[in-house]
Amino acid sequence: DIQMTQSPPTLSASVGDRVTITCRASQSISSWLAWYQQKPGKAPKLLIYKTSSLESGVPSRFSGSGSGTEFTLTISSLQPDDFATYYCQQYISYSSYSFGQGTKLEIK
Amino acid sequence: EVQLVESGGDLVQPGGSLRLSCSASGFIFRNYAMSWLRQAPGKGLEWVSAMSVGGGSIDYADPVKGRFTISRDNSKNTLYLQMNSLRAEDTALYYCATDISGRFRDWGQGTLVIV
Repeated sequence: DIQMTQSPPTLSASVGDRVTITCRASQSISSWLAWYQQKPGKAPKLLIYKTSSLESGVPSRFSGSGSGTEFTLTISSLQPDDFATYYCQQYISYSSYSFGQGTKLEIK
Repeated sequence: EVQLVESGGDLVQPGGSLRLSCSASGFIFRNYAMSWLRQAPGKGLEWVSAMSVGGGSIDYADPVKGRFTISRDNSKNTLYLQMNSLRAEDTALYYCATDISGRFRDWGQGTLVIV
């Protein structure tokens, strides 16, 4: 099974900051990585797929990069609505999908 | 507008059974693969099971293999998850989602299973 490790587990930042969350896979997943945002009491929301493709309706301040085993999600200028928990997910292997443990983005 | 509405969650004793339903609207259900995912209280996301468009391809996460069964009724635009031999570790909020080649684009609000 492919293990996904996110860092940091918690990130404190201010509105307007540029933040980066890292996701590492235990083996190469090519570019088959997605990012989700989850707010308390809500279902996850797909932000980015195939490492860097922005889902429709997602603001352009979100971007993704990487390949192989190391990936990043960057928010260029934090907005109040961005404080949430973020998850990465690999989907290289049909039906062996796995998620990172999450990164909670908090207001500093 | 895409809508997925899960139901069927409940409090159940260990060893018991439940059937979850996911009612879909706002899109052509029969054209989409679907998945169930879950989230234990205060924990991260876990994929549970997937079913292809026609139902010919099905798979399960190891923790639920042999106990859970996914199915769909395209005439009713509904996805199901039959859960047998439930364990305490199955306690979670269960979501259904559209499965776009392994990424999960549309999610329901979830239904809570407590074992």
